Amino acid sequence: GAGVSQSPRYKVAKRGQDVALRCDPISGHVSLFWYQQALGQGPEFLTYFQNEAQLDKSGLPSDRFFAERPEGSVSTLKIQRTQQEDSAVYLCASSVRTSGQTYEQYFGPGTRLTVT
Amino acid sequence: GNSVTQMEGPVTLSEEAFLTINCTYTATGYPSLFWYVQYPGEGLQLLLKATKADDKGSNKGFEATYRKETTSFHLEKGSVQVSDSAVYFCALLGGQSGGSNYKLTFGKGTLLTVNP
Repeated sequence: GAGVSQSPRYKVAKRGQDVALRCDPISGHVSLFWYQQALGQGPEFLTYFQNEAQLDKSGLPSDRFFAERPEGSVSTLKIQRTQQEDSAVYLCASSVRTSGQTYEQYFGPGTRLTVT
Repeated sequence: GNSVTQMEGPVTLSEEAFLTINCTYTATGYPSLFWYVQYPGEGLQLLLKATKADDKGSNKGFEATYRKETTSFHLEKGSVQVSDSAVYFCALLGGQSGGSNYKLTFGKGTLLTVNP
């Protein structure tokens, strides 16, 4: 079946521009996650949705970052007034609740954002 | 909080060589452990996992054993191929008191290059 998809795959923005990154999770997956992967680093957690509810946004680096999932499916990560330090790969992952306490996460290909 | 420390790369091997990538973790409880692989230009793919102590995860000739006594989850493969060239990430999920058992915590990644 279809995996997690993200668009665009690459985005170049001038400093100060707003960007919107889209994630389509696997159909039926309740949970959705965003991670930020800086060059040469492992991904770092940004935010978590369960259906349409944003249950954890503790990893968002500043109030310029905003995420939504209004209908509990597609999610958008928006970055306002982009800065050079926002340059990174933004990864989306989704998971289906399991009977245990751990959630296997399936990742999309990521959006590489470059701020010039 | 949780943390993952993995062997710094890059690692360069000849085809059919033995591979070990070390991974140790810190967690207050009993996390699940994962190895993810990122092939050039692609997203993260789950390679293998183990959910409790002494479990061995295996896939595509790779294996790793969850060692609670040494808090380790080292990745091994007996005979690597050129197609195994990728970045490998060790990660953990859960194992935190007070909830937040949905955030994956990643190591920094290890770049493996296998030469023919």
